[in-house]
Amino acid sequence: SAVISQKPSRDICQRGTSLTIQCQVDSQVTMMFWYRQQPGQSLTLIATANQGSEATYESGFVIDKFPISRPNLTFSTLTVSNMSPEDSSIYLCSVEGQRKTQYFGPGTRLLVL
Amino acid sequence: AQSVTQLGSHVSVSEGALVLLRCNYSSSVPPYLFWYVQYPNQGLQLLLKYTTGATLVKGINGFEAEFKKSETSFHLTKPSAHMSDAAEYFCAVTLSGSARQLTFGSGTQLTVLP
Repeated sequence: SAVISQKPSRDICQRGTSLTIQCQVDSQVTMMFWYRQQPGQSLTLIATANQGSEATYESGFVIDKFPISRPNLTFSTLTVSNMSPEDSSIYLCSVEGQRKTQYFGPGTRLLVL
Repeated sequence: AQSVTQLGSHVSVSEGALVLLRCNYSSSVPPYLFWYVQYPNQGLQLLLKYTTGATLVKGINGFEAEFKKSETSFHLTKPSAHMSDAAEYFCAVTLSGSARQLTFGSGTQLTVLP
């Protein structure tokens, strides 16, 4: 399975600011995904990021709030824009391996004050 | 569309006892099924998966799960719980067709009592 790292691992931010989360994979992958895990909740898919094309967002998530970049096959970023306390969550990236198996990064724990 | 139901948001077992975490799915086509574990302050780790073939699948840390199509279930078991098994467990499903979306259950928090 791929080794996935995320930066930062955690952050505390002020409302109204933006945070960019980085996801790095040790091998080339086609599909990368970004998830949100709100406190005490399960995972919700934010968007799917393919290299060379626009990200595909799930219902309830928009590009203006969660812009995503995918400049190459090993890297992606997710920006959480104009943050509010409701954005306090764990943000996880994942990659797709064989047979649609997804492997997850360690997550970024975000607290918005 | 697919969905996953995990019965019991919290399960407590004694150390050495059987662990049984329940997962039922709904899918209109043959599913791929997964169990992930999340330890405190960590990301998700794949425990095991069913895609095709043998319906009883073995994973890491002594866990196993059985795909039962007639019951639309994929329950996770471990014969003897260890203190280190305390974590949140998520069942997930995706379709075996072209769709890639992974749908997660609500999670089960496992507590292991000494």
